[in-house]
Amino acid sequence: SQQGEEDPQALSIQEGENATMNCSYKTSINNLQWYRQNSGRGLVHLILIRSNEREKHSGRLRVTLDTSKKSSSLLITASRAADTASYFCATLNTGGFKTIFGAGTRLFVKA
Amino acid sequence: EPEVTQTPSHQVTQMGQEVILRCVPISNHLYFYWYRQILGQKVEFLVSFYNNEISEKSEIFDDQFSVERPDGSNFTLKIRSTKLEDSAMYFCASSELALGITDTQYFGPGTRLTVL
Repeated sequence: SQQGEEDPQALSIQEGENATMNCSYKTSINNLQWYRQNSGRGLVHLILIRSNEREKHSGRLRVTLDTSKKSSSLLITASRAADTASYFCATLNTGGFKTIFGAGTRLFVKA
Repeated sequence: EPEVTQTPSHQVTQMGQEVILRCVPISNHLYFYWYRQILGQKVEFLVSFYNNEISEKSEIFDDQFSVERPDGSNFTLKIRSTKLEDSAMYFCASSELALGITDTQYFGPGTRLTVL
């Protein structure tokens, strides 16, 4: 079944460093999204990249998509303590109604 | 900024009882979704809903679950006879257009369901 899996499961960095999280999936997709979740809270949509796109930027976020490898990466540049959260990738199936989330990467940014 | 709201924020119920979780999607949105997240686990898709019909549902969404848009603003998830394993955070989401067209679905803050 279609599945987004993040790597690493947890990441601890110093403020100011860059954080890179990776996601792999198994089947063809319409698009791939990245979300952020603060502990016990709702999900915040960060960025979406479509299957015909290779790279996308939004502020300090950079997302890449390699459909041949069925993988994506999220780069957060110049991290801040406030970036501490869990980050999930999610894929939309080609039918267009079902979003499948990965297990997430827990990012901890030390001040 | 418009937001998706959910009530209650926390629901405690006894096993076997029925619960209804309520959501108010963003007013001009036409597509609605329910997800759940068991503590410490990934977010799981339950169901999508458009034009008063279920568009797609997951294997989790069995006969114990139902969804309804009873009026122009609310979107509800009903669990008929709760089980211990239904304990989770339930998230509602909405989007203006189909997810293959729009860039964003907006999530509510969630309802934490605890089944005792």
